[in-house]
Amino acid sequence: EIVLTQSPGTLSLSPGERATLSCRTSQSVSSSYLAWYQHKPGQGPRLLIYGASSRATGIPDRFSGSGSGTDFTLTISRLEPEDFAVYYCQQYGSSPPLTFGGGTKVEIK
Amino acid sequence: EVQLVESGGGLVKPGGSLRLSCAASGFTFSGYSMSWVRQAPGKGLEWVSSISSSSSYMYYADSVKGRFTISRDNAKKSLFLQLNSLRAEDTAVYYCARGGDAPDRWLQAYWGQGTLVTVSS
Repeated sequence: EIVLTQSPGTLSLSPGERATLSCRTSQSVSSSYLAWYQHKPGQGPRLLIYGASSRATGIPDRFSGSGSGTDFTLTISRLEPEDFAVYYCQQYGSSPPLTFGGGTKVEIK
Repeated sequence: EVQLVESGGGLVKPGGSLRLSCAASGFTFSGYSMSWVRQAPGKGLEWVSSISSSSSYMYYADSVKGRFTISRDNAKKSLFLQLNSLRAEDTAVYYCARGGDAPDRWLQAYWGQGTLVTVSS
């Protein structure tokens, strides 16, 4: 099973600042199958990025994904108040099993 | 608009059973794989199970294999998860999610709001 490790666990930033979230995998993952999700309390998660760098429908361009192999990054160029949430990376492969990282909480400083 | 609405959660005793349902609308249900993902209190997301569009393939996390069964009814645009032999560690919010377009079939492109399952005596 591929293990995904996200860092940092918590990121304390102010609105307008840049957020950089890391996701490392225990073995190489095809960039085609790496996704990022945003999760707020009381809501279902929302897909942000798939294929490591493709934005999902309706996702603002301040969200961007990059990386390959075992190192992937989600960048939020300028934090808006609605961006404070927990973010998960996921490898979803050409077939299950699927695995999620442990999450990074982006909180208001 | 894609909508996924879960139901069937509740309080159940250890060893008991429960059947979760997910009603889908706003897309061609029979054209997409579907999944269940859960979140235990204070924990992160955990993939539980997935099923292909025509029910030809079903996959399970090791933690639920042999106890949970995923199924779907394309005519009724519904996804199900039968939970048997429930344990305290199965307590979680269970989310229904729709797959992506090929080749991202196993992506969770859209999610429901979740239904809470509590296993306690």
